[in-house]
Amino acid sequence: DAGVIQSPRHEVTEMGQEVTLRCKPISGHNSLFWYRQTMMRGLELLIYFNNNVPIDDSGMPEDRFSAKMPNASFSTLKIQPSEPRDSAVYFCASSVSSGNTIYFGEGSWLTVV
Amino acid sequence: AQTVTQSQPEMSVQEAETVTLSCTYDTSESDYYLFWYKQPPSRQMILVIRQEAYKQQNATENRFSVNFQKAAKSFSLKISDSQLGDAAMYFCAYRTTNTGNQFYFGTGTSLTVIP
Repeated sequence: DAGVIQSPRHEVTEMGQEVTLRCKPISGHNSLFWYRQTMMRGLELLIYFNNNVPIDDSGMPEDRFSAKMPNASFSTLKIQPSEPRDSAVYFCASSVSSGNTIYFGEGSWLTVV
Repeated sequence: AQTVTQSQPEMSVQEAETVTLSCTYDTSESDYYLFWYKQPPSRQMILVIRQEAYKQQNATENRFSVNFQKAAKSFSLKISDSQLGDAAMYFCAYRTTNTGNQFYFGTGTSLTVIP
């Protein structure tokens, strides 16, 4: 079975540009998570969806960040405008809400210069 | 909110030896799940082992086992016969069974395996 699929794997962009990260959760999973990982802050939960509805977005750093889940098989995390401090690895993960294990994608490495 | 604490930022172990990584958590819930994830240099997050809080028996997966002490809110990971491929960052995680099914991660322990 395919795991969580993220794209792009790597992105280098200039400050001020819009960045869109994409995620396809595992089929049948109805919970989706976006995490950010940096050396300074470790693994931070940005937002969590259940059945395509955002449940907890308290981790979204600021208005420059937005996330959507238009259907059960696709989610996006958008940063506009991007800043150098947004450089991080962004992970998407999914799980069955009634289950117990969270499965991660391979991450999107973002560098903002 | 629940918190997960990993008090060992770095650990090292000689190849073929045994190492134990510590994790404590804070919760008022009685039913929950605990996990250990491994993150090698590739940055991929890999599930190592999981434990249901209602089970008294400690989970085991080949060379990996846990020591789950519910009253003490402790969940340590033991790696036996350490191999070079075990070198990675290890994250302890807690999942609530309440509304939201939220996951909480510790700050990680970096494990070095010495040949």
